[in-house]
Amino acid sequence: DVKVTQSSRYLVKRTGEKVFLECVQDMDHENMFWYRQDPGLGLRLIYFSYDVKMKEKGDIPEGYSVSREKKERFSLILESASTNQTSMYLCASSIPRGNGYTFGSGTRLTVV
Amino acid sequence: AQSVAQPEDQVNVAEGNPLTVKCTYSVSGNPYLFWYVQYPNRGLQFLLKYITGDNLVKGSYGFEAEFNKSQTSFHLKKPSALVSDSALYFCAVRASTDSWGKLQFGAGTQVVVTP
Repeated sequence: DVKVTQSSRYLVKRTGEKVFLECVQDMDHENMFWYRQDPGLGLRLIYFSYDVKMKEKGDIPEGYSVSREKKERFSLILESASTNQTSMYLCASSIPRGNGYTFGSGTRLTVV
Repeated sequence: AQSVAQPEDQVNVAEGNPLTVKCTYSVSGNPYLFWYVQYPNRGLQFLLKYITGDNLVKGSYGFEAEFNKSQTSFHLKKPSALVSDSALYFCAVRASTDSWGKLQFGAGTQVVVTP
């Protein structure tokens, strides 16, 4: 069964910490995406990557960065976590010009 | 820019009754349209998609959706709802010309099916 795996289901971090969220896919997909999900706002795109070492900003990149050193792994980095980054983070992957995503199970991050 | 509107925050329906979740979209060019479902503390699962062809699309778990170009709508329907259909539903759109395949999601509609 094809999979997108997010390493943590729940995380609690302190304000100012550097936080890494990891996502791994086993489908050899070129495209990978990071979204955050907030009630009433739906899913908002943070960053996406279309190839190794390539990245593009989404709609809300401020306060975040990403890393894609290998095709299967896409990391989201919160350089200095803040309470307004408390959210559900969802990783997804797809083929180029693909018709839909495969999602991971999500990481619920709480910043205290 | 593309956008999706899901006008209802929540839809309540009794088990066995028809279920409809509304979605309208705005996109340049031809749309590719999707429905996803999310159960508590889980990721999103694909239900169905419209790319081209027949305006009525059938998907997983007995769901279907009708593409209406003139009304720019893609409403999700199920003839007879089950309690297990209670979940959060997301509509999404991408432009056919988008080279990255990025999806724009609506805010989501919570479906509550009561026994």
